[in-house]
Amino acid sequence: GENVEQHPSTLSVQEGDSAVIKCTYSDSASNYFPWYKQELGKRPQLIIDIRSNVGEKKDQRIAVTLNKTAKHFSLHITETQPEDSAVYFCAANWEEGGGADGLTFGKGTHLIIQP
Amino acid sequence: DAGVTQSPTHLIKTRGQHVTLRCSPISGHKSVSWYQQVLGQGPQFIFQYYEKEERGRGNFPDRFSARQFPNYSSELNVNALLLGDSALYLCASSYTASELFFGEGSRLTVL
Repeated sequence: GENVEQHPSTLSVQEGDSAVIKCTYSDSASNYFPWYKQELGKRPQLIIDIRSNVGEKKDQRIAVTLNKTAKHFSLHITETQPEDSAVYFCAANWEEGGGADGLTFGKGTHLIIQP
Repeated sequence: DAGVTQSPTHLIKTRGQHVTLRCSPISGHKSVSWYQQVLGQGPQFIFQYYEKEERGRGNFPDRFSARQFPNYSSELNVNALLLGDSALYLCASSYTASELFFGEGSRLTVL
């Protein structure tokens, strides 16, 4: 089955700086890679996703890059703001809805934005 | 438009008891998935149901079971509770193979 590794487990950055979170996956059949943001006590919410036919995708201050050869993908947040503080999870699967074997999640990165 | 709703939000059980968790998907969504999130970890896939049929199952023991009703709502049942079953149980719905929308979860504590 799929295995997703996520680093770092905790990331502290100054407000206004950039943050980068990295994930690697094991199953070459995976072609859907979402990123979820989970605030304390709240539900995970999709913030951006990428499919294997695309190398990079941007949405305002958030971008995701994918290297299928190396089997890794990264989340980039620029001009960080206090409301970016949360736990971020990467995930992988061959199908967008998770398919019959579900999304495989990383262990999460606690992003702390220092004022 | 209501999102995914789950009940109860919190519950406390003792070892050996049984628990039933409930989920109502977003209107029009026919697929429901269940995930277990242990504190400090990412969600782990338990089941996926589509059109009332089990479509997939994660690496969980037979003590875990689920079903989906004609109105697409779903129940997750866990028998013979263990301390290690303490977790946040998340339900997610999607419209066929599309974005997963999660509920706020049911936090289960087993004493």
